[in-house]
Amino acid sequence: SYVLTQPPSVSVAPGQTARITCGGNNIGSKSVHWYQQKPGQAPVLVVYDDSDRPSGIPERFSGSNSGNTATLTISRVEAGDEADYYCQVWDSSSDHLCVFGTGTKVTVL
Amino acid sequence: QITLKESGPTLVKPTQTLTLTCTFSGFSLSTSGVGVGWIRQPPGKALEWLALIYWNDDKRYSPSLKSRLTITKDTSKNQVVLTMTNMDPVDTATYYCALANDYGDPFDYWGQGTLVTVSS
Repeated sequence: SYVLTQPPSVSVAPGQTARITCGGNNIGSKSVHWYQQKPGQAPVLVVYDDSDRPSGIPERFSGSNSGNTATLTISRVEAGDEADYYCQVWDSSSDHLCVFGTGTKVTVL
Repeated sequence: QITLKESGPTLVKPTQTLTLTCTFSGFSLSTSGVGVGWIRQPPGKALEWLALIYWNDDKRYSPSLKSRLTITKDTSKNQVVLTMTNMDPVDTATYYCALANDYGDPFDYWGQGTLVTVSS
């Protein structure tokens, strides 16, 4: 089955840039979606189709995807960005199944 | 306004069958492309996709749990039901239902989740 690997944690100072990676075999050929989850809350979609933002999501959130790595970038990090982040793809090679990444905890120092 | 809400027991015993209902509004599961999925999250752990049903009754299941899961829909009631057999303490988790607007789309609306504890 398809596996998505994320670093367990990323730490960043306020105002700096956080980059969260999502590794998968030839992930560049898939559309990657990213979710933010704060404690006790349901996940919220922050980036879809590699680099598009839903309405209401700040421009500080951006995404890219190439080769074996997709990346979520949070620019000018704020305290309110502290959360868990998950990548997600649909694996069309295995009967169109959903796969979530292992998750990354972003800590704002 | 799109909303989804999960309902079901908060406590089940080992070996029992869990039945969860997702009741939604603001969209129809008879609309072409639409799908409703179930995702769970054990305490302190990552999200895990379980199953999804599309408007045309196409169903997809997590390979690791496929033998234990059944997903159905009642379009007239705006509900999706997930059953999971042979529950075990490791199945203790918050269970979410969520909306995907088409094949390959993200889950752009989520329910608040419901915590299910498996214990004797």
